[in-house]
Amino acid sequence: EVVLTQSPGTLSLSPGQRATLSCRASQTISSIYLAWYHQKPGQAPRLLIYGGSRRATGIPDRFSGSGSGAVFTLTISRLEPEDLGVYYCQQYGSSQWTFGQGTKVEIK
Amino acid sequence: QVQLVQSGAEVKKPGSSVRVSCKASGGTYKNFGISWVRQAPGQGLEWMGGIIFVFGLATYAQQFQGRVTITADKSTRTAFMEVTSLRSDDTAVYFCAGGDDAEIFDNWGQGTLVTV
Repeated sequence: EVVLTQSPGTLSLSPGQRATLSCRASQTISSIYLAWYHQKPGQAPRLLIYGGSRRATGIPDRFSGSGSGAVFTLTISRLEPEDLGVYYCQQYGSSQWTFGQGTKVEIK
Repeated sequence: QVQLVQSGAEVKKPGSSVRVSCKASGGTYKNFGISWVRQAPGQGLEWMGGIIFVFGLATYAQQFQGRVTITADKSTRTAFMEVTSLRSDDTAVYFCAGGDDAEIFDNWGQGTLVTV
């Protein structure tokens, strides 16, 4: 099973700041099988990025995904108040799909 | 655009079983697939398994093998997830997710709270 470890656990930033979220895999995976999700309190998750760097429909371009091998990054270039919540990375490159434990983003 | 609608909340006793449904509408149905993801209170997301409707063959996360069964009814475009031998730590919100590309969770159900 591929274990995904996200860091930091919590990120507290002000609107307009840049957020960098990390996702480290326990083994090399192809970036085309890496996705990012955003979950607001009390809601279902929402797909942000799939295929490592492809934005899902309706996702603003301030969200970008990058990385390769075992280290992947989600960058939010300019934080908006509605970006608060928990962000999860997910891999679907092996037969056992797994999620990271999440990074909580707080807006100051 | 695919829409996924799940069945309502359930309260179950330990040792019993629960079956949750997820009805899909919209989409092209070419490689249509549904996965089940659960979220215990205050915890993260956990992939349980999934099914591609065309093939009807489910795959499971190892920790759920033998206790979870995922099926699909192609005629009604409804996926089902059954958990047997329920324990208190199965208390969670269960989401279905998926769409025209089974690997991409671009559509999510509203979630079903199962309380054991």
